Amino acid sequence: KNEVEQSPQNLTAQEGEFITINCSYSVGISALHWLQQHPGGGIVSLFMLSSGKKKHGRLIATINIQEKHSSLHITASHPRDSAVYICAVKDTDKLIFGTGTRLQVFP
Amino acid sequence: KAGVTQTPRYLIKTRGQQVTLSCSPISGHRSVSWYQQTPGQGLQFLFEYFSETQRNKGNFPGRFSGRQFSNSRSEMNVSTLELGDSALYLCASSFLGTANTGELFFGEGSRLTVL
Repeated sequence: KNEVEQSPQNLTAQEGEFITINCSYSVGISALHWLQQHPGGGIVSLFMLSSGKKKHGRLIATINIQEKHSSLHITASHPRDSAVYICAVKDTDKLIFGTGTRLQVFP
Repeated sequence: KAGVTQTPRYLIKTRGQQVTLSCSPISGHRSVSWYQQTPGQGLQFLFEYFSETQRNKGNFPGRFSGRQFSNSRSEMNVSTLELGDSALYLCASSFLGTANTGELFFGEGSRLTVL
């Protein structure tokens, strides 16, 4: 079993829909990162969380430390949100990555 | 503020050769970490350097090595290349470093193909 599990693996949505991507982890962590990767490879850090909730524009990230679970929400999704979203947790001294969720948003 | 710069962006090598990749972090950032991304294994942590010292290392063979210079620029080297080393190699810079959960800023990556 992977230490970081993401669901779903693939997600298709219509423009305007509310999107939720989930991340569960089995190790003790001090921080969790949500990353976005567009075709071509570049990665952008969306959020770094150690507790609670963060919001940036249409993106919201939450984390429940007790349940070892985090969610990334996208409100009013747009085709430009199409990308792979990756959850990564900091385990003592290194990052452990989930396998990613591929999101496609159609107009 | 300039972002993280990785060079070269693309390269092709043959088995047995060695390769050196470069990463220039954001000005003022002292931590540089390296990652390998393959279709089969996803993203995996290679190593992290902070103020010229290797702070952490992932589970990779000794053929993978790196260093960091006094200006925080970092290089990673892979010797005796194998077909399985074909991957996108990403570096990220951080002010605090992953050990202190600093926010990460990624470069565009170096895509290595081993023939």
